[in-house]
Amino acid sequence: GENVEQHPSTLSVQEGDSAVIKCTYSDSASNYFPWYKQELGKRPQLIIDIRSNVGEKKDQRIAVTLNKTAKHFSLHITETQPEDSAVYFCAASQGPGRRALTFGSGTRLQVQP
Amino acid sequence: GAGVSQSPSNKVTEKGKDVELRCDPISGHTALYWYRQSLGQGLEFLIYFQGNSAPDKSGLPSDRFSAERTGGSVSTLTIQRTQQEDSAVYLCASSLVRLAVYNEQFFGPGTRLTVL
Repeated sequence: GENVEQHPSTLSVQEGDSAVIKCTYSDSASNYFPWYKQELGKRPQLIIDIRSNVGEKKDQRIAVTLNKTAKHFSLHITETQPEDSAVYFCAASQGPGRRALTFGSGTRLQVQP
Repeated sequence: GAGVSQSPSNKVTEKGKDVELRCDPISGHTALYWYRQSLGQGLEFLIYFQGNSAPDKSGLPSDRFSAERTGGSVSTLTIQRTQQEDSAVYLCASSLVRLAVYNEQFFGPGTRLTVL
């Protein structure tokens, strides 16, 4: 089955700096890659996603890049703010017949004011 | 409208007891998923329901775990003879399903299960 690895496990940045979180996946059939943000004690919420026919997607301060050849994708947060502090999870899905997500182990991002 | 709801929010049980966890998906969402999140870990897929199709049970960790979805809406996850390693937050999610389109999974608040 699919295996998603995520790095780093923790990341501390100064407010205003950029943060990058990287994930790799194992199954070349995966073609949907969402990112979820989970604040302490709260439910995961989708922040951005990318399909395999696109190499990059941007939404304000957040962007995701996908390299299908290398089977890795990354989340980029620019101009970080304290409210960006949370645990971020990447995930992969293997196509219309199997929509359950395989998640990475998470990255705890701490933005220092 | 209302989001995904789960009950109970917390459940403490003794080892060996059975527990039932409930999920109410967003109205109209035909897909429903159960995940498990152990402390400080990622989300582990358990089971997926889509419409009237046979559920994908490939993530269930043992035969002590089962789930059903009645009437295409509410789902119940049952854990029999609970063990301490079953302690985790159990998250339910639901989504629309449209052919060849990937739709956002909306998560419920989870049920925190503690097995003593």
